[in-house]
Amino acid sequence: EDKVVQSPLSLVVHEGDTVTLNCSYEVTNFRSLLWYKQEKKAPTFLFMLTSSGIEKKSGRLSSILDKKELFSILNITATQTGDSAIYLCAGSLNTDKLIFGTGTRLQVFP
Amino acid sequence: DVKVTQSSRYLVKRTGEKVFLECVQDMDHENMFWYRQDPGLGLRLIYFSYDVKMKEKGDIPEGYSVSREKKERFSLILESASTNQTSMYLCASDGGEPEAFFGQGTRLTVV
Repeated sequence: EDKVVQSPLSLVVHEGDTVTLNCSYEVTNFRSLLWYKQEKKAPTFLFMLTSSGIEKKSGRLSSILDKKELFSILNITATQTGDSAIYLCAGSLNTDKLIFGTGTRLQVFP
Repeated sequence: DVKVTQSSRYLVKRTGEKVFLECVQDMDHENMFWYRQDPGLGLRLIYFSYDVKMKEKGDIPEGYSVSREKKERFSLILESASTNQTSMYLCASDGGEPEAFFGQGTRLTVV
């Protein structure tokens, strides 16, 4: 059975802290790994990772995929209160389906 | 910008009612999806459609049906709503690439 597991489920930090969110996957017909940020409404796309070991960066956010160990991490440096959200990881299959993890709820306090 | 629009943000329905959730996308995407999101369970796929009139069951199709008569519109139908279908429902679409675009979500409460 295809499965995506995220940890931790919840994280509370202070502004300025650096956080690492984890995502492990067991997905057949794996195509890529996606990260989304969900604030109050629709998840918005952050990264798509297809190749192992190549870091993707967007401002203070970065992510990397390890296809041998079947995991990905999302790093956020110098966190801000606006980073508070649920971060979703999803495995994309060759069948166009996405398998989502349960998400990590990040709360950043001033 | 891709836009995925769900017809209602909040809905309250009674047990046993038939409920329609509508989703429209404006980017000519082939694939459309319906998920429900529950605390601790993440997003779970209910149904998806890869073309007009085509549909496939996702992981939790029981109690739901779907309709895709036009490419831009994908409807989720609860034939007889039950309290365990109280949830956030998210529609998404993609054009064959892994990145999916989501609607704003419909929070359905069944009383």
